[in-house]
Amino acid sequence: EPEVTQTPSHQVTQMGQEVILRCVPISNHLYFYWYRQILGQKVEFLVSFYNNEISEKSEIFDDQFSVERPDGSNFTLKIRSTKLEDSAMYFCASGTQGGNTIYFGEGSWLTVV
Amino acid sequence: GESVGLHLPTLSVQEGDNSIINCAYSNSASDYFIWYKQESGKGPQFIIDIRSNMDKRQGQRVTVLLNKTVKHLSLQIAATQPGDSAVYFCAETGNEKLTFGTGTRLTIIP
Repeated sequence: EPEVTQTPSHQVTQMGQEVILRCVPISNHLYFYWYRQILGQKVEFLVSFYNNEISEKSEIFDDQFSVERPDGSNFTLKIRSTKLEDSAMYFCASGTQGGNTIYFGEGSWLTVV
Repeated sequence: GESVGLHLPTLSVQEGDNSIINCAYSNSASDYFIWYKQESGKGPQFIIDIRSNMDKRQGQRVTVLLNKTVKHLSLQIAATQPGDSAVYFCAETGNEKLTFGTGTRLTIIP
């Protein structure tokens, strides 16, 4: 069964360092998303991406965040200068239509120290 | 602003009994709803969805009910099994992004 895959599964980084989280969405999907979940809290929307551009982003997704689809398969989330409060599980997701039946990866757990 | 919430943060159910998890939403423009299951340390797993033009949808052992009048959504799990232990989230969308509720932790009592 097709699935969204994410790497790394866990990353520890120093505050102020840049982090890149990688995702391979399901191959025939056109809509891509990043969500995050702070420990014990609900899943929060960060950004949606369609047709090689950001279609919507939340207040969390500030200038420190960026997304890229550098080739036909990968979808990355970059945090330029990490803060302690960026520590969370980051989920990549993809879907065939905007907002419909979105499938999530297993997540990348980011710990900023 | 819009919000999606749940009535109870925890629910304990005897193995073999039916579970009902409830969710309230406030955005009248929402037209698509999804229930996700999240096991510890894993990503949300799609369970079942329903569109606003329906009031009931059934899957394998699961049923979702939608009451648009009171903006209420429920997930019914039949014959609950130990593997059903997880946090269950409802999510809604009227556009591209999903808005998640805070989740209900379902615990199965053997």
